[in-house]
Amino acid sequence: DAGVIQSPRHEVTEMGQEVTLRCKPISGHNSLFWYRQTMMRGLELLIYFNNNVPIDDSGMPEDRFSAKMPNASFSTLKIQPSEPRDSAVYFCASSTFVGTSGNLYEQYFGPGTRLTVT
Amino acid sequence: AQSVTQPDIHITVSEGASLELRCNYSYGATPYLFWYVQSPGQGLQLLLKYFSGDTLVQGIKGFEAEFKRSQSSFNLRKPSVHWSDAAEYFCAVGAWMDSSYKLIFGSGTRLLVRP
Repeated sequence: DAGVIQSPRHEVTEMGQEVTLRCKPISGHNSLFWYRQTMMRGLELLIYFNNNVPIDDSGMPEDRFSAKMPNASFSTLKIQPSEPRDSAVYFCASSTFVGTSGNLYEQYFGPGTRLTVT
Repeated sequence: AQSVTQPDIHITVSEGASLELRCNYSYGATPYLFWYVQSPGQGLQLLLKYFSGDTLVQGIKGFEAEFKRSQSSFNLRKPSVHWSDAAEYFCAVGAWMDSSYKLIFGSGTRLLVRP
């Protein structure tokens, strides 16, 4: 298995521009997570999907952030407009999840996208 | 509130020495516990996990961790550290919060290995 795939690996953009980060989860996994990692705040969960449906987006910092999962093999995280404080490493992770009373198995992380907003 | 504490920000050990990284959690129910490792510029890789059963769990790369309910701890150990173990280590607990299930991560411990 190729693992979780993220693109691009690095993104440098100017303030005000739209940024789209992409993620392909591991085949067969039905949960997908977007995290942000910064020195100041550590790892933060932004949003997660179960069976392509957003379950919890309470970690999304502002309306400038949006995430979609149109099918089981693809998700995007969009920032519009971007700001310098959005500079961080964004990770996507996937796992299996067996219903609301089931177990959440370990999450498998992608290599991350390092976003720099100037 | 659910939380994970890794009290050591940095730890330095000599190659070949033993290692113990501390992790304490706060969670009302039986926790699902994880240790992840992150090498520079890389994503997080799962080292080991505890769901139930034997409280001493073995992981990859020679790591092990022991779940101690009475101490709310899940410390990571390795008997002999290799230079390639230098990385950042994250403890995490799987917890139900606000009707959704999340992994709550500690702030991480950066391991430095002296030759």
